[in-house]
Amino acid sequence: GQNIDQPTEMTATEGAIVQINCTYQTSGFNGLFWYQQHAGEAPTFLSYNVLDGLEEKGRFSSFLSRSKGYSYLLLKELQMKDSASYLCAVLDSNYQLIWGAGTKLIIKP
Amino acid sequence: GAVVSQHPSWVICKSGTSVKIECRSLDFQATTMFWYRQFPKQSLMLMATSNEGSKATYEQGVEKDKFLINHASLTLSTLTVTSAHPEDSSFYICSAKGTSSSHHVTDTQYFGPGTRLTVL
Repeated sequence: GQNIDQPTEMTATEGAIVQINCTYQTSGFNGLFWYQQHAGEAPTFLSYNVLDGLEEKGRFSSFLSRSKGYSYLLLKELQMKDSASYLCAVLDSNYQLIWGAGTKLIIKP
Repeated sequence: GAVVSQHPSWVICKSGTSVKIECRSLDFQATTMFWYRQFPKQSLMLMATSNEGSKATYEQGVEKDKFLINHASLTLSTLTVTSAHPEDSSFYICSAKGTSSSHHVTDTQYFGPGTRLTVL
């Protein structure tokens, strides 16, 4: 079966750095996405990785290792507004998007 | 770019009535649109995938006669919840995927703001 694992909840302090991990087992791989979803709102696109390595975009970076079936989203200089759920999703061989359950990130002052 | 709108943002209706939700891609052509449902504190659940000009593909357990999907153009898809009941109350979210010619990142799904449906 297809499976995406990410922690259910994480807590971090304002101004700090947090890394949200995602491991996946899917039938084929055509890229991995990270989305941010604030409570009561729809997800917004953060990043897309299809090759190994680190993609940096401002305070957010996303890393991929295809051989390990592993990705992480790194958030630096955390702000209170970063409190949200972070969804990892993998595009499988049929170009179907397989969603993780999401990681709820709580930022404390 | 890559803006998706959804209308209405919220709707309250009586049990037994039908509700139509519109999803539009405003600045790109969406060859494929997706409809999701999300209950409080739960993951997104894909309901159906629709390609312009063809019948939607429904996920297992989703009643196609209850959730009617029409994808009449490259910028508009509609979801009609027929004979809505209280258990249909949920957050309905659409997303759209563009063509490789219209987006640098292909296969990215861009989400509409969602429609909160409450059935009394």
